[in-house]
Amino acid sequence: QKEVEQDPGPLSVPEGAIVSLNCTYSNSAFQYFMWYRQYSRKGPELLMYTYSSGNKEDGRFTAQVDKSSKYISLFIRDSQPSDSATYLCAMSKQGAQKLVFGQGTRLTINP
Amino acid sequence: GAVVSQHPSRVICKSGTSVKIECRSLDFQATTMFWYRQFPKQSLMLMATSNEGSKATYEQGVEKDKFLINHASLTLSTLTVTSAHPEDSSFYICSAGTDYNSPLHFGNGTRLTVT
Repeated sequence: QKEVEQDPGPLSVPEGAIVSLNCTYSNSAFQYFMWYRQYSRKGPELLMYTYSSGNKEDGRFTAQVDKSSKYISLFIRDSQPSDSATYLCAMSKQGAQKLVFGQGTRLTINP
Repeated sequence: GAVVSQHPSRVICKSGTSVKIECRSLDFQATTMFWYRQFPKQSLMLMATSNEGSKATYEQGVEKDKFLINHASLTLSTLTVTSAHPEDSSFYICSAGTDYNSPLHFGNGTRLTVT
């Protein structure tokens, strides 16, 4: 079993829809949780960063962490075609340095 | 802030030759940098942790003599793929954080093709 599980998709939704992406994990030692967006042939770009449980909002993006269920989510409101990318969840045990990544979900927003 | 620059973005080399990839933190100092490898449609796999002024720490299964890492300054780490073979063709990405509790920022990656 992988430490971090993420549905690879692909996920295709119409423009303006609310997108929900999620990851589950098995190691309760994870404390730092991140979401990265990766466009084709580019490096990952940090979207959201959360320490421990709770919610965090930044513009159209909301990240949720439920440590009791070992489940994290990323919500994208008013989705745009420019949001089409692969979204990677990542987490670490100590500090936000040595990351374990999910497989990534390929998202397409259709105009 | 927290910009990580990687060079070159793309390189093609012949089998048996060596290739050097540079990773720079442009606006901050990074005592630790990380090198990842990504195959098509797959996630990032950590190869090694690069420590300024000391030896790199390699993940299990990564050949340290094949993937040479040098972190000679607080803003530069290099990855040299020695005696490259076609199976080394991949997307190599470096990352760094401003401090231990800050999230990692990634370079734009280097696409290596070995012919």
